[in-house]
Amino acid sequence: QVQLVQSGAEVKKPGSSVKVSCKASGGTFSSYTISWVRQAPGQGLEWMGRIIPILGIANYAQKFQGRVTITADKSTSTAYMELSSLRSEDTAVYYCAREDLLGAFDIWGQGTMVTVSS
Amino acid sequence: QSALTQPASVSGSPGQSITISCTGTSSDVGSYNLVSWYQQHPGKAPKLMIYEGSKRPSGVSNRFSGSKSGNTASLTISGLQAEDEADYYCCSYAGSSTPSVFGGGTKLTVL
Repeated sequence: QVQLVQSGAEVKKPGSSVKVSCKASGGTFSSYTISWVRQAPGQGLEWMGRIIPILGIANYAQKFQGRVTITADKSTSTAYMELSSLRSEDTAVYYCAREDLLGAFDIWGQGTMVTVSS
Repeated sequence: QSALTQPASVSGSPGQSITISCTGTSSDVGSYNLVSWYQQHPGKAPKLMIYEGSKRPSGVSNRFSGSKSGNTASLTISGLQAEDEADYYCCSYAGSSTPSVFGGGTKLTVL
């Protein structure tokens, strides 16, 4: 059974960057698509972007273009999401999720809380 | 890409049925039957309940069903139970090179 395990909580200063990892166990990592979804406190889900590891291709929501980079290391079955120029509004729980061939997020990581505060 | 439109809240009594709508446009919900629905309890990760508009993953109760008409997708929960109380989100997919978009979420209260 595929599981996604994310890195631990982070506290960052405004203007800095954060890099969250998502390690997959079970299954064939390269054949997945991994998406990143965030949820600010008390708010809804927001899709940020995805990567197709076997192709090394990523695409992003327009809102995050230029500030987010999603990568994948096939050798360690790990996906990464790096968000730069952090501001207080980026305080949120960040989830990775496996995306099936037709866009459904069938497996989710446990979430990583990122707090941006001076 | 604009968020899909969901009602902020719905409620129902145990045993009743409720429907949550998810309205998009002809470019997303209306073009593809690729809407998925997620249930999220407080402090937990979302859980896939419906995919490809109307399919249920293994292990999801058949009390949950999905449908679509035009630019609006719907999630129906029949025989409401206390444990159904949660937030529900729809999501539209239009291809691996296009952004996915979530609805704003609906809080379901079981009275």
